[in-house]
Amino acid sequence: DAGVTQSPTHLIKTRGQQVTLRCSPKSGHDTVSWYQQALGQGPQFIFQYYEEEERQRGNFPDRFSGHQFPNYSSELNVNALLLGDSALYLCASSLGGAAVRVEVAFFGQGTRLTVV
Amino acid sequence: DAKTTQPPSMDCAEGRAANLPCNHSTISGNEYVYWYRQIHSQGPQYIIHGLKNNETNEMASLIITEDRKSSTLILPHATLRDTAVYYCIVRVYPNNNDMRFGAGTRLTVKP
Repeated sequence: DAGVTQSPTHLIKTRGQQVTLRCSPKSGHDTVSWYQQALGQGPQFIFQYYEEEERQRGNFPDRFSGHQFPNYSSELNVNALLLGDSALYLCASSLGGAAVRVEVAFFGQGTRLTVV
Repeated sequence: DAKTTQPPSMDCAEGRAANLPCNHSTISGNEYVYWYRQIHSQGPQYIIHGLKNNETNEMASLIITEDRKSSTLILPHATLRDTAVYYCIVRVYPNNNDMRFGAGTRLTVKP
């Protein structure tokens, strides 16, 4: 049973460019959340997708956008990259929906983005 | 979600039990306590969660005080591979779908 997979593992971009990161959730999961983790800090919530819609969003600018596909996989897009966007980007999958009483999220290994 | 307080670092001898405390004095009745850990440069790994009863699984035990204002994660026989940053998180589901990670506790298991 494959866990959460993210691609690519590492990426180097130039300031002002755009980047797309990808995530495939754990089998059976339908909800994907994205987190940004700067060096030495805990992960910070960006947003969550459920049923192909953004369900909740953290304190991130509109340069950060996402998408969820019918197969539950997801993309994170960041436009107009800044040096400060350099971080480990983590995807977490879980089972959402009103019938789920307690949610346990499982994380991928992350994509290390470096903006130069 | 309630805020959590954890010591920034702890050491533990290999083979001994590691007891990691977490204070969540403002926790409300419908908030669960979750523990995750993150080994260097990897994604966080789920360990255990609980509401008010003590919980145990193959990885660890979670002890929640009767007033639910604090909890302790216990790794019964720590190994070098348990060296990681441990995060204690409290959250309500499904009202809040994000998990608010603090700085965590850096546990170093020493031989």
